[in-house]
Amino acid sequence: GAVVSQHPSRVICKSGTSVKIECRSLDFQATTMFWYRQFPKQSLMLMATSNEGSKATYEQGVEKDKFLINHASLTLSTLTVTSAHPEDSSFYICSARAIMERETQYFGPGTRLLVL
Amino acid sequence: DQQVKQNSPSLSVQEGRISILNCDYTNSMFDYFLWYKKYPAEGPTFLISISSIKDKNEDGRFTVFLNKSAKHLSLHIVPSQPGDSAVYFCAAIRQGGSEKLVFGKGTKLTVNP
Repeated sequence: GAVVSQHPSRVICKSGTSVKIECRSLDFQATTMFWYRQFPKQSLMLMATSNEGSKATYEQGVEKDKFLINHASLTLSTLTVTSAHPEDSSFYICSARAIMERETQYFGPGTRLLVL
Repeated sequence: DQQVKQNSPSLSVQEGRISILNCDYTNSMFDYFLWYKKYPAEGPTFLISISSIKDKNEDGRFTVFLNKSAKHLSLHIVPSQPGDSAVYFCAAIRQGGSEKLVFGKGTKLTVNP
């Protein structure tokens, strides 16, 4: 149980385009989902916390207009990287927290974004 | 200021021996701790957790020990297997407070056959 999927797993796009990444909890409902970014050889960096039906809470330094987050249902959150630039190239990982488990987050497999 | 620290960036052990991964934290408000395992280009996989009301939690080959007075926890893997080779992240959270997990920078474990 506690499976989280992400789609796509890899995406290559041209600079200036927008990219949408989906995060789904497959076998549980998640009121809260989290979006992380990982740079090479570094730890996970929390970008934003997404609660179903409400606006996401962004961490300091993360542009909310650039990284649009939508959490429309208890099993789906999306991250849209708008007007992507090469410096947005990274590994994006989502996690979901089950309703009945307040602390444990289950992570998706990640999405590798390369902006040319 | 890093609230969760994993001071060893890497660890190498022989197959069959014990692997001990260490983690220190500075925020005394943390009361729930988790260990994740991560392979390259994959998301972290939850391994084991421990609440501050306990000092030990065991699940198969994995045991986590918590020393609250020292603000220290460790993950023991025994016996270690080559498939355990990965980066291990320690994370902490305050129950009922901020929802954010605070991660350490990870320790890369290599288990040699």
